[in-house]
Amino acid sequence: DGGITQSPKYLFRKEGQNVTLSCEQNLNHDAMYWYRQDPGQGLRLIYYSQIVNDFQKGDIAEGYSVSREKKESFPLTVTSAQKNPTAFYLCASSLLAGAYNEQFFGPGTRLTVL
Amino acid sequence: SQELEQSPQSLIVQEGKNLTINCTSSKTLYGLYWYKQKYGEGLIFLMMLQKGGEEKSHEKITAKLDEKKQQSSLHITASQPSHAGIYLCGAIHNAGNMLTFGGGTRLMVKP
Repeated sequence: DGGITQSPKYLFRKEGQNVTLSCEQNLNHDAMYWYRQDPGQGLRLIYYSQIVNDFQKGDIAEGYSVSREKKESFPLTVTSAQKNPTAFYLCASSLLAGAYNEQFFGPGTRLTVL
Repeated sequence: SQELEQSPQSLIVQEGKNLTINCTSSKTLYGLYWYKQKYGEGLIFLMMLQKGGEEKSHEKITAKLDEKKQQSSLHITASQPSHAGIYLCGAIHNAGNMLTFGGGTRLMVKP
């Protein structure tokens, strides 16, 4: 049963703490993405990775970091430098990078900073 | 994104009614995706349009791409409560670039 999983579904964090969101895919996709979604707004790209050991900043990368050590995994760390981290985070993957490749989305992680 | 505007932002319709959602780009459109999202969940792919004038249908949902107007419309015929959710468009402005998403249209269908 192929797909993308994200964990946890809900995450609470105290101000000043770093937190890591998990994203795993078994679709054998090369490209993976992290988006942030705020209430009433569309998706904004945080980071993307076209291939293992490579990643690029998206439109709102400040305060976030990623790694891509394995093809299946693309964890996102929300650092204390991110000024407004409370949001819904979505991970996606596509066979190859680029806008013409359909992206498949995970179920999302809702992060709340207390 | 101001590059991609969706209208209306929210919509409440009576079950059985038809409705249209628009997605307008300030840049040249090379293609467009439509996704549906249930609140608090991931996005589900509906369809992708690439050519001007292209029209695709899936069950009671039809989408069309008007390259000249830099716009796409999504039409739902005889709406049902199962159609409720957030509809998002994602634009292809350049083949090598990532998608740009609109702000979404929140649809509620009253039984």
